[in-house]
Amino acid sequence: EVQLLESGGGFVQPGGSLSLSCAASGFNFTIYALNWVRQAPGKGLEWVSTISADSESTYYADSVKGRFTISRDNSNNILYLQMNSLRVEDTAMYFCTKGRGSTGTSCYNYWGQGALVTVSS
Amino acid sequence: DIQMTQSPSSLSASVGDRLTVTCRASQGISNYLAWYQQKPGKVPKLLIYGASTLQSGVPSRFSGSGSGTDFTLTISSLQPEDVATYYCQKYNGVSFTFGPGTKVDVK
Repeated sequence: EVQLLESGGGFVQPGGSLSLSCAASGFNFTIYALNWVRQAPGKGLEWVSTISADSESTYYADSVKGRFTISRDNSNNILYLQMNSLRVEDTAMYFCTKGRGSTGTSCYNYWGQGALVTVSS
Repeated sequence: DIQMTQSPSSLSASVGDRLTVTCRASQGISNYLAWYQQKPGKVPKLLIYGASTLQSGVPSRFSGSGSGTDFTLTISSLQPEDVATYYCQKYNGVSFTFGPGTKVDVK
């Protein structure tokens, strides 16, 4: 059974940093692209970032480019999202998702339960 | 960047009704289009990928069509458990944008 378990969410002041992790199991982690998607309270889904299976390609939404960094550890089956210079508008539930393929051009067939990030003064 | 729009933003229909949700891309995306269903308080679930391929385990009353810029999600016979918000997503290029969502209620 595929499982994606996010951790690291919490409360942070504007300008602060936070790091999310996603521990994966139940599939061959090394051959699938992984992604972060967020959802602000009461709002729609927003794609945040994608990393290819081999980490060679990374993609970011314009809203987070230069502030967030996606990475993965294929030895330990963990996906990361380092979030710096956080803004109030980054407040959201952050979902870790598994792509159907190895590259960014794949949709998301599994989703974690999410990690809540709250940015507020 | 390619923008994704959906219409309507919400709709209410009766059990058994056939309903259609439309998704439009501002530029052609071939068939790199997915549909997701998010029930209230739940995690999104993949329904359709490649514009028209049903994800395993999804009821056959759901179907998708389209290519290029115009896509549709159809529910052939609405069921009470289909109450949800439906999102389209493009997954080609370097930006994998979601549409704003269509909220479906049952009358």
